[in-house]
Parts: sequence; structure tokens; C-alpha cells
Amino acid sequence: NAGVMQNPRHLVRRRGQEARLRCSPVKGHSHVYWYRQLPEEGLKFMVYLQKENIIDESGMPKERFSAEFPKEGPSILRIQQVVRGDSAAYFCASSPSDRSYEQYFGPGTRLTVT
Amino acid sequence: GEDVEQSLFLSVREGDSSVINCTYTDSSSTYLYWYKQEPGAGLQLLTYIFSNMDMKQDQRLTVLLNKKDKHLSLRIADTQTGDSAIYFCAESIGGGKLIFGQGTELSVKP
Repeated sequence: NAGVMQNPRHLVRRRGQEARLRCSPVKGHSHVYWYRQLPEEGLKFMVYLQKENIIDESGMPKERFSAEFPKEGPSILRIQQVVRGDSAAYFCASSPSDRSYEQYFGPGTRLTVT
Repeated sequence: GEDVEQSLFLSVREGDSSVINCTYTDSSSTYLYWYKQEPGAGLQLLTYIFSNMDMKQDQRLTVLLNKKDKHLSLRIADTQTGDSAIYFCAESIGGGKLIFGQGTELSVKP
């Protein structure tokens, strides 16, 4: 069984560019979560999505960040006009609809902003 | 408020038991979790406990929950060098969002 897939695993962007991070949940999982891990810190919740719906975006910065989980295809976390402070590991997790308390994490995308 | 605290480091000898502790502040937690993160990798769900339970055992892992003191612990029996990693405690207060502690780095010496 394939777990949560994230790509790219590493992404380097210059200040001002856009970053697109992709997440394919476990097959059959309809809930997706994005978390950010700054160096030597724990994970911070960003957003919770179900297919075509944003359920909770209380952890998303108000500007430059957006997320979607379309009916077909992976979930996308988009960061516009990246700044150095966006450098972090971004993790996606997914859960099945009948056991939404079980979150399984992907390997993460490590974003470096130069 | 929502806060999860863990000690940052723990060092044990191979074969000993490890106990990693965690405290949380939100009394409405529904589930509490332990995740393991190896260097450069994602988080592996080790185990979780529902808030109305006191204890859960799974092979070498024992989770103890003291809801009155809002204290969670993870005991790893017969710790091996392969157990060296960062262990994160997390709580769910409903709605899908997990609140994580800052992680405990476990170092296992041969």
C-alpha cells in the first residue's frame, strides 16, 4: 500500500518566486492536512481540507498562502512571493473519513528560500 | 489555551527502558498521540490513546494517560539503537487539527 506521497522532496526558490507543494493522500483517504515544521520545532497546523472544501484554515498565514484539494488530483499548498522565513519542512497528512483521528504523514517537502 | 510540552532530550543505554513524558493544557483533548521522526523523514504514527483510557500497550510500547494531571507518557521497553529518533506528543481537540509538542530527542547508547 502506498502511503502519503509528497513532491518534490526538496525545493529551492529565490525570494519572490512561487512554491507549489503537492500531496497525494493514501488511496481512499478523503481528508488532508498540512503542517509546517520550522527548524528544531514541532509541527504547526496550517490547514485541513476535504475534497473541494477547506474545513479549517486557522493556521494559514493570512497572505501569500493558499491550499486546495480538488475532486481529482493531489492537494496543493501554494506559497506566493516566498520570503526567507518560509524556509521549513512542510508535511502533509491524510486520514480516512471513518477514522479521521488517525493521521498518516508523508515524508515532507523541504523548502529552502535563498 | 492549547499547549503541549515535552522535555527536549533523553539519553538511555541499549536494553534499558525509556520513558518520554508530555504535558498538555487542553482538558477537551479527545485523542493523544505519539509520533516518531527519524532524521530527514516524515512522522510515523506509533500509537494513540482515547482520552477515556488510562493505558494502552502495544508490543514494546506502553502509553499511560493521567487525565487529571494532563500528563501522557510513552515507555519503550528494551530500547534499541534503532529507537534513536525524535518523539512527538500530540493532542487532538476535535475538528482534525493536531497540536504537537516540540519533540524529545531520544539517544540510545550501545
